[in-house]
Amino acid sequence: NAGVTQTPKFRILKIGQSMTLQCAQDMNHNYMYWYRQDPGMGLKLIYYSVGAGITDKGEVPNGYNVSRSTTEDFPLRLELAAPSQTSVYFCASSRQGLRNEQFFGPGTRLTVL
Amino acid sequence: AQTVTQSQPEMSVQEAETVTLSCTYDTSESDYYLFWYKQPPSRQMILVIRQEAYKQQNATENRFSVNFQKAAKSFSLKISDSQLGDAAMYFCAYRSPDTGTASKLTFGTGTRLQVTL
Repeated sequence: NAGVTQTPKFRILKIGQSMTLQCAQDMNHNYMYWYRQDPGMGLKLIYYSVGAGITDKGEVPNGYNVSRSTTEDFPLRLELAAPSQTSVYFCASSRQGLRNEQFFGPGTRLTVL
Repeated sequence: AQTVTQSQPEMSVQEAETVTLSCTYDTSESDYYLFWYKQPPSRQMILVIRQEAYKQQNATENRFSVNFQKAAKSFSLKISDSQLGDAAMYFCAYRSPDTGTASKLTFGTGTRLQVTL
């Protein structure tokens, strides 16, 4: 199993550009999440999904969109990139259930200039 | 809303010694899970240990153990026999009950652990 994979690993965007961060998992997990980690801070939840076709906002959703057309994939879309979106983005997945850990991808470092 | 506080931005420990990282949280719920995640320079988030709020017995995983004080809302991580590979950022995280939507993790701001020879 590859676990949770993310592409790209690094990206530099200009203000106003758009891009999609890709996330895929091969563990057949229902739940998937997107977090951002700003320098010196913990992770904050952007969006999450409990299954294909179902998504919901987390703590910091503004400026982002998601879709979940399959169990495996959960892309994060940035429209009109802003410097405040410079961060490291982590995708995670888990089984349903309180005790089940979230498995994280390796992260994408995004810089908006 | 739940909050998680890690009051130690940085800690240092000598190899083979023991170190304790602090974490407190605020919640009105009675059933929840607490986690410690390790983030080495590679950025990969790795689960270290988990604790269910209903279990009085403190969780242990090899050299890692927790001191869970539910009434005080405290969840500290003890690392025994510290190794150079333990150097990383450590995040405490709170997970609320799964009430039909995905139960979400709330993270603290992290403690950077240095391990010296």
